[in-house]
Amino acid sequence: GENVEQHPSTLSVQEGDSAVIKCTYSDSASNYFPWYKQELGKGPQLIIDIRSNVGEKKDQRIAVTLNKTAKHFSLHITETQPEDSAVYFCAAQIPGANSKLTFGKGITLSVRP
Amino acid sequence: DSGVTQTPKHLITATGQRVTLRCSPRSGDLSVYWYQQSLDQGLQFLIQYYNGEERAKGNILERFSAQQFPDLHSELNLSSLELGDSALYFCASSGSQQGEQYFGPGTRLTVT
Repeated sequence: GENVEQHPSTLSVQEGDSAVIKCTYSDSASNYFPWYKQELGKGPQLIIDIRSNVGEKKDQRIAVTLNKTAKHFSLHITETQPEDSAVYFCAAQIPGANSKLTFGKGITLSVRP
Repeated sequence: DSGVTQTPKHLITATGQRVTLRCSPRSGDLSVYWYQQSLDQGLQFLIQYYNGEERAKGNILERFSAQQFPDLHSELNLSSLELGDSALYFCASSGSQQGEQYFGPGTRLTVT
């Protein structure tokens, strides 16, 4: 089955700096890659996603890039703000009858004011 | 707010007991997924229902079962509870069998 690795496990940046979170996946059949933000006491919130027919997608301060050859994808957050502090999860999905998401372990992002 | 609701928010119970967690998907979504989140295992897929039918099973214990009702809400039943079952349980819904999944706020289960 699919295996998703997420690095690093924690990341601390200064407010205003950029943050990059990387994930790798194992199954080349995966074709959908969402990113979730989870704040304390809340459920994961879908913030951006990318499909395998696209190399990059942007939404305001966040972007996701996908390298199918290397089987990795990254979340880029620019001009970080304290409210970006949260746990971020990447996930991968293989098309087919079982459409479960396989999640990475999560990274705790801290934005220092 | 994702539009997915879960009740109860918190549940404290004793070992050996049985509990039921409830999920209402976003309006119009036919797929419901259940995930378990624990500190050491992260988010783990348990089971998926689509329009009332079970579609996929993940790492779900035999002590756990689920169903999806005609109004599309779903219930996750956990029985013979053990201390290790303490976790956050999330449901997610999707408008299709692939793609975006929207998560509810979760139920925090504590087994004492």
